[in-house]
Amino acid sequence: DAGVTQSPTHLIKTRGQQVTLRCSPKSGHDTVSWYQQALGQGPQFIFQYYEEEERQRGNFPDRFSGHQFPNYSSELNVNALLLGDSALYLCASSLGGLGLGYTFGSGTRLTVV
Amino acid sequence: DQQVKQNSPSLSVQEGRISILNCDYTNSMFDYFLWYKKYPAEGPTFLISISSIKDKNEDGRFTVFLNKSAKHLSLHIVPSQPGDSAVYFCAARKTSGSRLTFGEGTQLTVNP
Repeated sequence: DAGVTQSPTHLIKTRGQQVTLRCSPKSGHDTVSWYQQALGQGPQFIFQYYEEEERQRGNFPDRFSGHQFPNYSSELNVNALLLGDSALYLCASSLGGLGLGYTFGSGTRLTVV
Repeated sequence: DQQVKQNSPSLSVQEGRISILNCDYTNSMFDYFLWYKKYPAEGPTFLISISSIKDKNEDGRFTVFLNKSAKHLSLHIVPSQPGDSAVYFCAARKTSGSRLTFGEGTQLTVNP
């Protein structure tokens, strides 16, 4: 039973560029949440997708956007990258939009230079 | 506004002894608390949780205590094993929503 799959695992981008990160949820899960973990800090909630709609959003600017597809997979897009966007981006899947039973992926390490 | 705080960035204990990891929170709306363990290059994995209506929950070597009046919870690991060495995150969920609010994490090192 595959868990949460994220791609790519590592990425280096230049300031001002755009990036797309991808997530496939655990089999049977229908909700995807994205978190940003900066170095030395805990994960911070970006947003959650359920039924192909953004259901909740954390305190992140509009440069951060997302999408959920009919097969429940999800993308996180970040425009106009800043040096401060360098972080580990974690995808977590769950069932029914609840905050319990989260399964996290291993993350995408984004470095902005 | 750091609503969940883990004040100890690191903790070192001897194998076989007790590890106690602490977490404080400020938001009274939190109704469910969770502990996650994270190894390098892996995502956080769920360890144990507790509802705000309880003050203790046990699962094998792991016990979580909740003191609502002090807005404090702790994770006890007894006995500690070298394989427990990881970063431990405390997280909380508000009654009205499903997002998790995480603390900064504590690096636990269990020495053989």
